[in-house]
Amino acid sequence: DIQMTQSPSSLSASVGDRVTITCRASQIISSYLNWYQQKPGKAPKLLIYAASSLQSGVPSRFSGSGSGTDFTLTISSLQPEDFATYYCQQSYSTPNSFGQGTKVEIK
Amino acid sequence: QVQLVESGGGVVQPGRYLRLSCAASGFNFSNYGMHWVRQAPGKGLEWMTVIWYDGSNKYYGDSVKGRFTISRDNSKNTLYLEINSLRAEDTAVYYCARGNPYSSGWPLDYWGQGTLVTVSS
Repeated sequence: DIQMTQSPSSLSASVGDRVTITCRASQIISSYLNWYQQKPGKAPKLLIYAASSLQSGVPSRFSGSGSGTDFTLTISSLQPEDFATYYCQQSYSTPNSFGQGTKVEIK
Repeated sequence: QVQLVESGGGVVQPGRYLRLSCAASGFNFSNYGMHWVRQAPGKGLEWMTVIWYDGSNKYYGDSVKGRFTISRDNSKNTLYLEINSLRAEDTAVYYCARGNPYSSGWPLDYWGQGTLVTVSS
């Protein structure tokens, strides 16, 4: 099975900051990497698929990059509504494992 | 619009059986693979299982293999998850999600609101 490791597990940032979250796969997964945002008490929401494709309706301040085993989610200018937990997920092979999550908190 | 509505959760005693349902609307259900993902209280997301659009293939995560069964009824636009011999560690919010075959990598593009299963005596 493929293990997904995110870093950091949490971070504190201010509105307007540039935020970067990384995700590493235990083996090569090509570009089969998705990013989700989850707010407390809500279902996850797809942000980025295939490592760098922006899901329809998602603000352009979100971007993704990477391929192989190392991936990055970047928020170019953090907004108040972006404080949430972010998860990566590989869809290269089953089980389609998730990372452990990165909680983005207000500084 | 696309809607996924889970039901069937609640408080269940250890060792009992439970069947969760996910009613789909707003899209051609029979064209999409469907997933179940769960989240224990205060924990991260755990991918559990997927069923192909026609039910021909099913895959399970290691932690649920043997006790969990995914199925679907395309005539009723409904996805199911059967859980046998419930354990305390099965306590979680259970989400159904749609896998989009028209986006590279089949991401989970729509999710239900989740149904809470609490295993307790």
